[in-house]
Amino acid sequence: QVQLVQSGAEVKKPGASVRVSCKASGYTFTGYYLHWVRQAPGQGLEWMGWINPNSGGTNYAQKFQGRVTVTRDTSISTAYMELSRLTSDDTAVYYCAQVPAGNGWFDPWGQGTLVTVSS
Amino acid sequence: DIQMTQSPSSLSASVGDRVTISCRASQSISSFLNWYQQKPGRAPELLVYAASSLQGGVPSRFSGSGSGTDFTLTISSLQPEDFATYYCQQSSSTPITFGQGTRLEIK
Repeated sequence: QVQLVQSGAEVKKPGASVRVSCKASGYTFTGYYLHWVRQAPGQGLEWMGWINPNSGGTNYAQKFQGRVTVTRDTSISTAYMELSRLTSDDTAVYYCAQVPAGNGWFDPWGQGTLVTVSS
Repeated sequence: DIQMTQSPSSLSASVGDRVTISCRASQSISSFLNWYQQKPGRAPELLVYAASSLQGGVPSRFSGSGSGTDFTLTISSLQPEDFATYYCQQSSSTPITFGQGTRLEIK
């Protein structure tokens, strides 16, 4: 079955960068877009951007432009989300999610990666 | 950006109740509206896609309706496992946006 497995929790200091990985299995990695969504503690869901694993093309939310970079390594069916210049407001659970068709609904989701930013 | 507004923000109900959650878009999104259920400490799970299509494996007590700007998620008879937070999401255009969530609690 389609599965997305993310890397483990991270603790970072303000100003640092974090990279979260999302390893896909059970389908052709290059066939479907992957998106990144985050959720601050007790808050709602916030879309960050997507990558086309086939071409490497990306699209980011304006809020994260210049701070987020999503890449992929097709040889190991893994996507990466790197967020730089971290502040305490970036403390959140970060999810990757597949868009299985067209104008995307997200299914499945990775299990989430907690990123804590603290001095 | 398309704003998504859910109502109510929270809801108390009993097992067996019929529950309706609304989601309104700030502009027409046709049927590009999806619903998710999220339980504490878990990733969201897809319930309904394209406004009214039930995801495989989702119980038939869940249903979605609407088009344009107004959408509804209905649970026909609440079960104990349905107490969770529900989110709508528009996939008509980027940036993709979510409603603020509706927390469904046990009365």
